[in-house]
Amino acid sequence: AQSVAQPEDQVNVAEGNPLTVKCTYSVSGNPYLFWYVQYPNRGLQFLLKYITGDNLVKGSYGFEAEFNKSQTSFHLKKPSALVSDSALYFCAVRGAGYGNNRLAFGKGNQVVVIP
Amino acid sequence: ETGVTQTPRHLVMGMTNKKSLKCEQHLGHNAMYWYKQSAKKPLELMFVYSLEERVENNSVPSRFSPECPNSSHLFLHLHTLQPEDSALYLCASSRDRDPSYEQYFGPGTRLTVT
Repeated sequence: AQSVAQPEDQVNVAEGNPLTVKCTYSVSGNPYLFWYVQYPNRGLQFLLKYITGDNLVKGSYGFEAEFNKSQTSFHLKKPSALVSDSALYFCAVRGAGYGNNRLAFGKGNQVVVIP
Repeated sequence: ETGVTQTPRHLVMGMTNKKSLKCEQHLGHNAMYWYKQSAKKPLELMFVYSLEERVENNSVPSRFSPECPNSSHLFLHLHTLQPEDSALYLCASSRDRDPSYEQYFGPGTRLTVT
């Protein structure tokens, strides 16, 4: 079974400062890793994913994430946070293999960017 | 907009009512999903459909009954629900059920069971 841990309930950061949202995962075999963002009263929006290749992946709105196999981590980063980045962020993992239908989500991190 | 719509956006129902949630995707995807989102908990996968065939039922109680008449539409029929079923119900779709494809989510239906 796959699982995701997002250790912090809330991340506070000043506008213009670097933003990091942490994620560690557990999965059998090769992981497919995803980050999604949820704004109030909205569904989840896809930000980026790691499937294979370069460990640093770039996504929407200036976000990037680094896959670290030895630490089983996939932390989300943004060099300079905006107030509009305040939202709920979810990390998700799915094991490779066509028969695996389950995308396991973490409980989410609330990001608050302070003006 | 993500190309996935859900109706209604809000629903209040009594425990003896029967209602249905509707999801429609305009992306030409072949896989569709129902999730339950409760406060402070990870998203819970409920059902997965691939080309109108149910391929996953994640131990969901029978008071939730999904229906997928075609690859663009997905329903969740509700009957005799419990107060603990109150949550945000999210529909999603993906190109197909290959795990490398990202999912696109609708805005959700906020369900309150009284």
